[in-house]
Amino acid sequence: EAGVAQSPRYKIIEKRQSVAFWCNPISGHATLYWYQQILGQGPKLLIQFQNNGVVDDSQLPKDRFSAERLKGVDSTLKIQPAKLEDSAVYLCASSLVVPNTEAFFGQGTRLTVV
Amino acid sequence: GENVEQHPSTLSVQEGDSAVIKCTYSDSASNYFPWYKQELGKRPQLIIDIRSNVGEKKDQRIAVTLNKTAKHFSLHITETQPEDSAVYFCAASLSGGYQKVTFGTGTKLQVIP
Repeated sequence: EAGVAQSPRYKIIEKRQSVAFWCNPISGHATLYWYQQILGQGPKLLIQFQNNGVVDDSQLPKDRFSAERLKGVDSTLKIQPAKLEDSAVYLCASSLVVPNTEAFFGQGTRLTVV
Repeated sequence: GENVEQHPSTLSVQEGDSAVIKCTYSDSASNYFPWYKQELGKRPQLIIDIRSNVGEKKDQRIAVTLNKTAKHFSLHITETQPEDSAVYFCAASLSGGYQKVTFGTGTKLQVIP
């Protein structure tokens, strides 16, 4: 069964560099989420798409983070420039538009900023 | 916005004992409460969920209870096994124009053989 695909799995960059993460959701899932999970904490929503429109980006640090979902399928999340505190696992998840349904998570990208 | 608090942050139990994890939420309009299990280095996966029109739900050794009046819900794992060791996250979801999910901070459960 195809799940949520993310790449890369790991990334190490220096502070002030830029980085991009890619996510391919489960086919047919119109809702796509990007979460930031800092070690020892719960996932924190950064941005949520419904098809290719943004429905919630209230916790996205817009001065350095950006995301897009072209054609309502794949999505990329970019950080430019990165800070040390951006070190975290970035999780992509997708779900059906139907309310109260399960979100399926990808394996995540572990970002280390040095 | 919604705020979800989860306790305890760590929990150690002997194999075969029960484990209980508790969460509270702030927005009375939240109507869906999933629980996710995240094993070390792996993705979170849904283990059980409950909707606001139900007070309790069971699935084998796992059960979830919901008290809408008090705005708290709990995960109960009976007859714990070493493979239950993981981090468990509760979440509260509010459905309006779109589904908004807020996660708790997680509970690291260790089952001691």
